Amino acid sequence: TQLLEQSPQFLSIQEGENLTVYCNSSSVFSSLQWYRQEPGEGPVLLVTVVTGGEVKKLKRLTFQFGDARKDSSLHITAAQPGDTGLYLCAGAPSFGNEKLTFGTGTRLTIIP
Amino acid sequence: DTGVSQNPRHKITKRGQNVTFRCDPISEHNRLYWYRQTLGQGPEFLTYFQNEAQLEKSRLLSDRFSAERPKGSFSTLEIQRTEQGDSAMYLCASSQKGTGYSPLHFGNGTRLTVT
Repeated sequence: TQLLEQSPQFLSIQEGENLTVYCNSSSVFSSLQWYRQEPGEGPVLLVTVVTGGEVKKLKRLTFQFGDARKDSSLHITAAQPGDTGLYLCAGAPSFGNEKLTFGTGTRLTIIP
Repeated sequence: DTGVSQNPRHKITKRGQNVTFRCDPISEHNRLYWYRQTLGQGPEFLTYFQNEAQLEKSRLLSDRFSAERPKGSFSTLEIQRTEQGDSAMYLCASSQKGTGYSPLHFGNGTRLTVT
């Protein structure tokens, strides 16, 4: 069974600070996705990384896929209250297989 | 693209009752997934369809759970003889299988509370 562990589980920081969220596994994934989920809503895809070592940027968010495709990180620069939410990583076991294994989630709160 | 639609949004039922949820995927998507999410956890895979064929079921899906996608469009998830442990958010997602990576588009879920 493939498992994804995220850390930290909870993070509360002041507006303007930087932060990094980690997603780790002992398994190799074909691709890894990051989602953000608001209360009462479904997860919304932020990014998909597919190549070991790949780095993708989405405005103030930087995503990195580990060289061995077992881990990933999400770095947010100058956090804003609108970044508040549950961040989920999810791994796909093989190409074309979207049966995702989700991580445990990081609940992020940005304090104005 | 009207997104993935799930109904009802909330369902409260008494233990032992049957419940049925509906999911309408994005119209051109041929894959449909059901996930379950409990409070404070990430979603867990339950089952998925490609068109009308149910291709995989998780061991989490006991014999009290059944899912259908009769015409390859909308899907229903039925839980028979509900138990308190079934209380969760049930999420549906759809994707279009193609030659590349196909992101999942999630609905806003049905929150089930079993009393």
